[in-house]
Amino acid sequence: GAVVSQHPSWVICKSGTSVKIECRSLDFQATTMFWYRQFPKQSLMLMATSNEGSKATYEQGVEKDKFLINHASLTLSTLTVTSAHPEDSSFYICSARRGNTDTQYFGPGTRLTVL
Amino acid sequence: QKEVEQNSGPLSVPEGAIASLNCTYSDRGSQSFFWYRQYSGKSPELIMSIYSNGDKEDGRFTAQLNKASQYVSLLIRDSQPSDSATYLCAASLQAGTALIFGKGTTLSVSS
Repeated sequence: GAVVSQHPSWVICKSGTSVKIECRSLDFQATTMFWYRQFPKQSLMLMATSNEGSKATYEQGVEKDKFLINHASLTLSTLTVTSAHPEDSSFYICSARRGNTDTQYFGPGTRLTVL
Repeated sequence: QKEVEQNSGPLSVPEGAIASLNCTYSDRGSQSFFWYRQYSGKSPELIMSIYSNGDKEDGRFTAQLNKASQYVSLLIRDSQPSDSATYLCAASLQAGTALIFGKGTTLSVSS
C-alpha cells in the first residue's frame, strides 16, 4: 500500500501561537508532497507544492511567510502555521506523490482550531 | 484556467442501484485522471485511476474515460449505504504537477 500519516490529528491553540503539522510517507519515498486546506462543506484548496530539498511553491493568495513548509527528506514534510488566528481554523490535509507517478495519497488530515 | 467540473448533487440512489458520477475537464492535454472518495470529516481516499480511453473496472467500481469529449465518469454497481460520501474527480496535466480537483459530487445511498 501507500500510507501517509499526519501528526497531530487535531490541535487546539491560542491565537498568536504557531502550530507545526507533520506529514510522513510511511512506506514509500515522496519527492513531492502537497498541502491542502478544507473549510467545512467546501472543496479542497491546494495551498502549496513541496519538493524535497527545495523551496515550496505556493498557490496564489497563500502567504508563504505565514504557512512555512519544509520538505527536508523524502518521507517528511512539515507545515507550520505561524501566528495562528481564528480564521486559520480549518482541516489541513497533506498528500504525497508516489515516485514518478501522478497518483497522490492523502494523509488523514489535521483539524486545527484556533481560539 | 484549468478546471474540473462536477455536479455537486446530491445524487440519491436506492441501495442496490447503479450510481453514475460524471466529471468534465477543460484542459485537453490532461493525461491522468483519478476518483477519490471523501467521507464527512475525513480526508480523501483513492478509489481508481485511469489514463487511457475506455473502461477500467475494479470490483463494484468502473471508471470511464473519453478524452475526445473530455469526460470522465465513475459507475458504482450495487450501491451500498456505506458508499454515501462525496466523490472527487481529479486530473493531472503532466507527471509531477498538482492534481486539479473538482468540487465533488455528494452521493446518498438509501437503504
